[in-house]
Amino acid sequence: AQKITQTQPGMFVQEKEAVTLDCTYDTSDQSYGLFWYKQPSSGEMIFLIYQGSYDEQNATEGRYSLNFQKARKSANLVISASQLGDSAMYFCAMRERDDDMRFGAGTRLTVKP
Amino acid sequence: DSGVTQTPKHLITATGQRVTLRCSPRSGDLSVYWYQQSLDQGLQFLIQYYNGEERAKGNILERFSAQQFPDLHSELNLSSLELGDSALYFCASSVVGRAGGRADTQYFGPGTRLTVL
Repeated sequence: AQKITQTQPGMFVQEKEAVTLDCTYDTSDQSYGLFWYKQPSSGEMIFLIYQGSYDEQNATEGRYSLNFQKARKSANLVISASQLGDSAMYFCAMRERDDDMRFGAGTRLTVKP
Repeated sequence: DSGVTQTPKHLITATGQRVTLRCSPRSGDLSVYWYQQSLDQGLQFLIQYYNGEERAKGNILERFSAQQFPDLHSELNLSSLELGDSALYFCASSVVGRAGGRADTQYFGPGTRLTVL
């Protein structure tokens, strides 16, 4: 069964606006980690942000924040003040204890000037 | 720059050939992972090594093999190459193996783009 679901194949956002990229996950474990990665057209995978299942606060890293709703099993990435350089594929991933990292299919974000 | 290095950046070869991809993890990281990213299958986990030992296997074909050396660098060997093996191959590293938590954060190298003609 799919463990990570990203329902938005593509998203558009206007420069300087905020955008939310959706991610839901499936696990019966209590201990797990959630990750977001960015893949620009150049191909590299860039780690953005981490949220632990026991973390009570939503993770933030600069313009990135993770809207973690444990009961709903969602871990949405919020990018504030979008920039043209934010145009990329974004992957949500989850790692349960003693398991492989599972990646979603990705969302392609396009920032319009 | 993630601190993970991969060579070569690009590789073009013919069907039936064998190639070796090389990866050096971030300083201090003990785990190395290999992934394959193709257009139709997304990011596929191939194999993980932790401190020289194989830790986990994913969707790795029998024609593919990997190892991690005492200095912690890793090599992925792809043999009897087929057209369908054309993909972007990533190496990633993390501090620990499968403990769960922030230390499992994987940092990716720039990838090797393999084209099989």
